[in-house]
Amino acid sequence: NAGVTQTPKFQVLKTGQSMTLQCAQDMNHNSMYWYRQDPGMGLRLIYYSASEGTTDKGEVPNGYNVSRLNKREFSLRLESAAPSQTSVYFCASSEALARRTYEQYFGPGTRLTVT
Amino acid sequence: QQQVKQSPQSLIVQKGGISIINCAYENTAFDYFPWYQQFPGKGPALLIAIRPDVSEKKEGRFTISFNKSAKQFSLHIMDSQPGDSATYFCAASRSTGAGNQFYFGTGTSLTVIP
Repeated sequence: NAGVTQTPKFQVLKTGQSMTLQCAQDMNHNSMYWYRQDPGMGLRLIYYSASEGTTDKGEVPNGYNVSRLNKREFSLRLESAAPSQTSVYFCASSEALARRTYEQYFGPGTRLTVT
Repeated sequence: QQQVKQSPQSLIVQKGGISIINCAYENTAFDYFPWYQQFPGKGPALLIAIRPDVSEKKEGRFTISFNKSAKQFSLHIMDSQPGDSATYFCAASRSTGAGNQFYFGTGTSLTVIP
């Protein structure tokens, strides 16, 4: 049981390049999330997917696209990377527990630098 | 606009002392308030969480105090240990028709001195 896995762990891009961050979970969770973490800003939600086939914007969606490929996988794409997208990206998944509580499980993160 | 405000930004506590981290929110639609612990190079991990129908929840040395009328909640770490040194995030969540959105505070870096 690997939990939430993310690839790659590190990436350096030049401005204007594109790339896709991959995320997979093996806990059969319905909901998946993409966050970015910047110093002093906490974690900010980019996109989330409540279930397979649905995606919704979070707080900071501009410059990103997502695909919920199936129940296990949720990818984040940067079409034209900008230095402002330098950040650590976390994928998470969650499932509703008893009494409408939710535990989010986070992946190990992808550290992205855009030069 | 920060949906969840967290303070202090950093905290230094002696071993055995009490660590207190505070959070405040405005949106009364929030219905779930978790705290996460994050070690360097790792993803956040759920520590403890509370729903607004209770005023306090305790799990081991960790306690959440919740004040619904003041729209504030706090994390208390009793008998703080050097192994508790990490960054702590509060969060708030609301259920929408499309699932749950989570909003995080800006984090508190806790250092416990031996």
